[in-house]
Amino acid sequence: RKEVEQDPGPFNVPEGATVAFNCTYSNSASQSFFWYRQDCRKEPKLLMSVYSSGNEDGRFTAQLNRASQYISLLIRDSKLSDSATYLCVVRRNEKLTFGTGTRLTIIP
Amino acid sequence: GAGVSQSPRYKVAKRGQDVALRCDPISGHVSLFWYQQALGQGPEFLTYFQNEAQLDKSGLPSDRFFAERPEGSVSTLKIQRTQQEDSAVYLCASRYQETQYFGPGTRLLVL
Repeated sequence: RKEVEQDPGPFNVPEGATVAFNCTYSNSASQSFFWYRQDCRKEPKLLMSVYSSGNEDGRFTAQLNRASQYISLLIRDSKLSDSATYLCVVRRNEKLTFGTGTRLTIIP
Repeated sequence: GAGVSQSPRYKVAKRGQDVALRCDPISGHVSLFWYQQALGQGPEFLTYFQNEAQLDKSGLPSDRFFAERPEGSVSTLKIQRTQQEDSAVYLCASRYQETQYFGPGTRLLVL
């Protein structure tokens, strides 16, 4: 079983729709949680950190449930520029562990 | 300011050839990481440096892989006797606080 599991998609979503991604992690000793975004043939870039209290950055909302070891990302009013692969990431000590990523395509 | 840079951006190697991949981290970043990303997968941790000290090399897939950072800035990942399964994108990242900043990667193809 992979340490971080995500649905690889692809998710094909019309512009303006709301889309939600989920991720589970297996190591309860994981300390920090993130969503990274990776455009095709580019490097991953931090989208947002994820906290148990939930956090929002514009159209993006992330949530962590430590008891269920579950992380989510919600994108509202999706834009064409949101098309990318979204990577769920957990940190334990210095090491980041990435999920396989969920590919999102926003359709005009 | 300048981000993490990596060279070469692309490398084609014949099976059995040795390769060296370079990473220039963001100036002043103490922590440096190497990852391997296979097609359709997320990056997989290879190794971690704090300054010149290699503190974790648990992700290196075999003893053909070797990394160094002798002066605590530039790092080199060396792969000896490359095999076809080594074909991947090799990403370097440096860290400030909780955020890792990735370079553009070196795309290695072993024929």
